[in-house]
Amino acid sequence: ETGVTQTPRHLVMGMTNKKSLKCEQHLGHNAMYWYKQSAKKPLELMFVYSLEERVENNSVPSRFSPECPNSSHLFLHLHTLQPEDSALYLCASSQGILGGTVDNEQFFGPGTRLTVL
Amino acid sequence: ELKVEQNPLFLSMQEGKNYTIYCNYSTTSDRLYWYRQDPGKSLESLFVLLSNGAVKQEGRLMASLDTKARLSTLHITAAVHDLSATYFCAVDQLGATNKLIFGTGTLLAVQP
Repeated sequence: ETGVTQTPRHLVMGMTNKKSLKCEQHLGHNAMYWYKQSAKKPLELMFVYSLEERVENNSVPSRFSPECPNSSHLFLHLHTLQPEDSALYLCASSQGILGGTVDNEQFFGPGTRLTVL
Repeated sequence: ELKVEQNPLFLSMQEGKNYTIYCNYSTTSDRLYWYRQDPGKSLESLFVLLSNGAVKQEGRLMASLDTKARLSTLHITAAVHDLSATYFCAVDQLGATNKLIFGTGTLLAVQP
């Protein structure tokens, strides 16, 4: 295990539902990330948080709302999703946010498989 | 915009054979990562390559980085079934926010 956990592992929701994905890291890292992995597409970075502050929002629609209450927890609140939002959502953490050092290697959680009906 | 391309996208090989997966990227970067993903599982870090000419080996896998050619390779030696998985390369840019740009992945199927 990588020290990053995600719940739930599977989620089915209707387009009018509101749900939340949870990520927790036990590595003492200061940065956390949300990625989207769709079928036949590369992983896409959605959000980056460093010390509970959002430092990157990668043009993600407002129906996805992240929350980082502390450096160990990251949430992704979902509302009014579309079927094309069905994907695997991966959380990751790293020691810091500056690219290019081995200390900033990202460790990934197991993901939440989301299906939007 | 940094782009990362992997080839092949799918690789079916027999046990005992050797093969190479290629990862090309479009702009200057000194840092490249290789990950493995099993079906329904998370990404597992395999190698972190931090400089031009870096070569790392773990078991039957060996990764190398040529920053001048903007190319990394993942070489598989004497493949075994347990290596069946999807392999991703990812690149970030020195000094930028730790933003990994991933390739599309190579699905490796090792046949007995």
